[in-house]
Amino acid sequence: DAGVIQSPRHEVTEMGQEVTLRCKPISGHNSLFWYRQTMMRGLELLIYFNNNVPIDDSGMPEDRFSAKMPNASFSTLKIQPSEPRDSAVYFCASSSYSDEEETQYFGPGTRLLVL
Amino acid sequence: AQSVSQHNHHVILSEAASLELGCNYSYGGTVNLFWYVQYPGQHLQLLLKYFSGDPLVKGIKGFEAEFIKSKFSFNLRKPSVQWSDTAEYFCAASNNAGNMLTFGGGTRLMVKP
Repeated sequence: DAGVIQSPRHEVTEMGQEVTLRCKPISGHNSLFWYRQTMMRGLELLIYFNNNVPIDDSGMPEDRFSAKMPNASFSTLKIQPSEPRDSAVYFCASSSYSDEEETQYFGPGTRLLVL
Repeated sequence: AQSVSQHNHHVILSEAASLELGCNYSYGGTVNLFWYVQYPGQHLQLLLKYFSGDPLVKGIKGFEAEFIKSKFSFNLRKPSVQWSDTAEYFCAASNNAGNMLTFGGGTRLMVKP
C-alpha cells in the first residue's frame, strides 16, 4: 500500500491567494483527518470525516478554511484567502473506523508558506 | 475535558543512556493510547499502541510503554538510545466513543553521539 498521499509537498504563496491541499487516504480506510502543526501550537486537529461525512470541524480556525471529501479516496483542504499566520505543516491521516483497534496513519504533510 | 500532557518538552541524552518520556492523560471511560514519532522533516509514524490486555506494550525500534491506569500514565521507555532516535515524540489518546485522537504537546529528544 502506498500509504496516505498528500500533494503538494511544499507550497509557497502570497497572502490573499487561494491554497488547496489534497489528500488520498489509504484504500479501505473510511475515516480521514486534517491536522495542522506549528511550533507555537503543536499538532491541532482541524476536521475529520467518517464515510465522507464531516463529523467534527470545531478545530477549523475560521471561515477562510474549508474541507471537502467528495468520495472515499479524496479530500481537499482549502484556504481562501490565505494569510501569513496560516504557514504551517498540514497533515492528513486516515484510519479504518470499523476496526476494533483504530490507528491513524499519517501522510508526509504539506509545508505551506504564505508570504 | 479530554487532555494529554507531556511534561518533558526537551530531553537531551547521550548515546546508550536510558530513556523515559512521560505521558499523562485525562479521559473518561475506556482509553486507547498511542506513541508516535516524528523524525526531522518527516511525518508522524506509529511507534506503539495500547488498546487492552498486557499493560506493557512493545513497539518498534526497541521502544516500550507501560499503561498504569491508577496513575493515568503511559510512559515511553527505551533502555539504550541511539543517535538515530533523535526526533519528536507524541503521546496521543482516544476512546471508544469515536476515533478522534488528542495529542500531547510533544517531547523533542536529542541524542548526542
